[in-house]
Amino acid sequence: QVRLQQWGAGLLKPSETLSLTCGVYGGSFSGHYWTWIRQPPGRGLEWIGEINHSGRTTYKPALNSRLTISVDTSKNLFSLRLTSVTAADTALYYCASDFTYWGQGTLVTVSS
Amino acid sequence: DIQMTQSPSSLSASVGDRVAITCRASQSISSDLNWYQQKPGKAPRLLIYSASSLQSGVPSRFSGSGSGTDFTLTISSLQPEDFATYYCQQSYALPRTFGHGTKVEFK
Repeated sequence: QVRLQQWGAGLLKPSETLSLTCGVYGGSFSGHYWTWIRQPPGRGLEWIGEINHSGRTTYKPALNSRLTISVDTSKNLFSLRLTSVTAADTALYYCASDFTYWGQGTLVTVSS
Repeated sequence: DIQMTQSPSSLSASVGDRVAITCRASQSISSDLNWYQQKPGKAPRLLIYSASSLQSGVPSRFSGSGSGTDFTLTISSLQPEDFATYYCQQSYALPRTFGHGTKVEFK
């Protein structure tokens, strides 16, 4: 059974960098695509980007200049980096594999 | 971007009711449509993929139909554990986009 576990800082100040990592356990890392999704408090789901098995990344256009998704296949990890955060980036962030397996979510709050 | 419009945004139903939620895409997405269930404080759970395929472990009371631009998630007999929010999502094109959700509440 595949399990995703994510971690990273939950409280940031405006202009800081959000960094989250998702570990993949119990399954093959290759041949899948790895996605980050966020959910602002009380709101719906927002796809923010993905990286596929060949390392190709695609980002939500509005975040393209601030967002980096990377993968470390040797450690079965993939990561999210979002620079220059504002209060609008406050959300519950999820990692997912093929939209089938999901991490537990990390609440990221941006506040001065 | 492909816009996904769900309706209704919320509904009230009783245990045993048949419930249908619709999702409309702003352009044809073939059958590249997923449905998710989300309960408070939990990650979404994939219910249906490719518009009508039941994800492993999901009860058979859940079913999906449609293709092109119009899709439906049906719960044949609502159970207490089904009270949740449901989202559709297209996987036809990047960026992936979700509907705004349908909250199924107890009547």
